[in-house]
Amino acid sequence: GDSVTQMEGPVTLSEEAFLTINCTYTATGYPSLFWYVQYPGEGLQLLLKATKADDKGSNKGFEATYRKETTSFHLEKGSVQVSDSAVYFCALSLPLSGGSYIPTFGRGTSLIVHP
Amino acid sequence: DAGITQSPRYKITETGRQVTLMCHQTWSHSYMFWYRQDLGHGLRLIYYSAAADITDKGEVPDGYVVSRSKTENFPLTLESATRSQTSVYFCASSQGQGASYEQYFGPGTRLTVT
Repeated sequence: GDSVTQMEGPVTLSEEAFLTINCTYTATGYPSLFWYVQYPGEGLQLLLKATKADDKGSNKGFEATYRKETTSFHLEKGSVQVSDSAVYFCALSLPLSGGSYIPTFGRGTSLIVHP
Repeated sequence: DAGITQSPRYKITETGRQVTLMCHQTWSHSYMFWYRQDLGHGLRLIYYSAAADITDKGEVPDGYVVSRSKTENFPLTLESATRSQTSVYFCASSQGQGASYEQYFGPGTRLTVT
């Protein structure tokens, strides 16, 4: 079945460091891909998305490119801040037969940024 | 206020009791979802609904019941709570039937079953 694999965390960085969180997927068909962020004590919120191959999603300095050839959607940021400390979830969405769709989430990667 | 809300935010109940978690959204989104979040498991889908009066099972439906008589509400009931249902529960909604539509999550309900 469809699945999303994220790198294990926690990822610990110093402020202003470069961030990469790897995400690869397995899917039949052409999914839409998402990154969600969960700050402590809150629900998930959409960070960025890409709906077709070679699309780049970007938001708040984060970006990710939909790579169909490597089935990947790695999240990057050039200079992280303490306020970026959160859990990051990669997800895909594909239509099911019958027209419904159910998103599939990775297990999440915790990011800790130190001053 | 517009958005998606959950109530209660915190709940402690005893084993064997029935408990209902409420979810309300003001956008008239067609899709709604219930997830549980546990350490080591990430998010697991319990039930989802494509429209009022249409619900379907997700990955972990056992011990849970849902209904959706109105588009804006999607309550989740634990018929006889067990300790293994101690978790953080998130409700989500999505506006469309296409795979490109993102989900909007509520703030979560932290449920403890003693």
